[in-house]
Amino acid sequence: AQSVTQLGSHVSVSEGALVLLRCNYSSSVPPYLFWYVQYPNQGLQLLLKYTSAATLVKGINGFEAEFKKSETSFHLTKPSAHMSDAAEYFCAVSPKVGYQKVTFGIGTKLQVIP
Amino acid sequence: KAGVTQTPRYLIKTRGQQVTLSCSPISGHRSVSWYQQTPGQGLQFLFEYFSETQRNKGNFPGRFSGRQFSNSRSEMNVSTLELGDSALYLCASRATGALADTQYFGPGTRLTVL
Repeated sequence: AQSVTQLGSHVSVSEGALVLLRCNYSSSVPPYLFWYVQYPNQGLQLLLKYTSAATLVKGINGFEAEFKKSETSFHLTKPSAHMSDAAEYFCAVSPKVGYQKVTFGIGTKLQVIP
Repeated sequence: KAGVTQTPRYLIKTRGQQVTLSCSPISGHRSVSWYQQTPGQGLQFLFEYFSETQRNKGNFPGRFSGRQFSNSRSEMNVSTLELGDSALYLCASRATGALADTQYFGPGTRLTVL
């Protein structure tokens, strides 16, 4: 069984401030972990993924996430928020075994205040 | 490579009708998954097809069905529509082998049931 918890359905930051979106996962086997972004009226776009190489993963648009097994966390960060970062962000997990379904978190809407 | 395409982008139906949604995966991808996205429930997994066979299934009633063709294109059907079926339906494809860990999403079909 697997699950994802995203803390905070809405997060507001000022332009130029640090972005921190939290994700905790539960998985009975070693996981793959993902962050996706969704802009209004669009599908999901992959930001970054953890597949057991480096624990600090760098993605597109200046985002990065760190896999912490001891904390079962995969938080998403960006040093300086830009107005274009306003979107909904989804954390997801799938087992690292065969072809298994992906479980998504409920999503976090990021608002960037000018 | 062209991305995942979904048709139609928007649909309006009335209760009791049925609807068919179409998804064309990225060329070479043999796996197609379907998700229902609603504001209250987030992204919920419907089913996944691989080489014309249903490989995984979520917890949806039998009114929701799908199929995949030999060219990997997939269709999803919902019969006897209910108001609660109003949602964004997302399709995602993924490759096989070493690249199978990542799903690529289409723009979605927005279904409104009146």
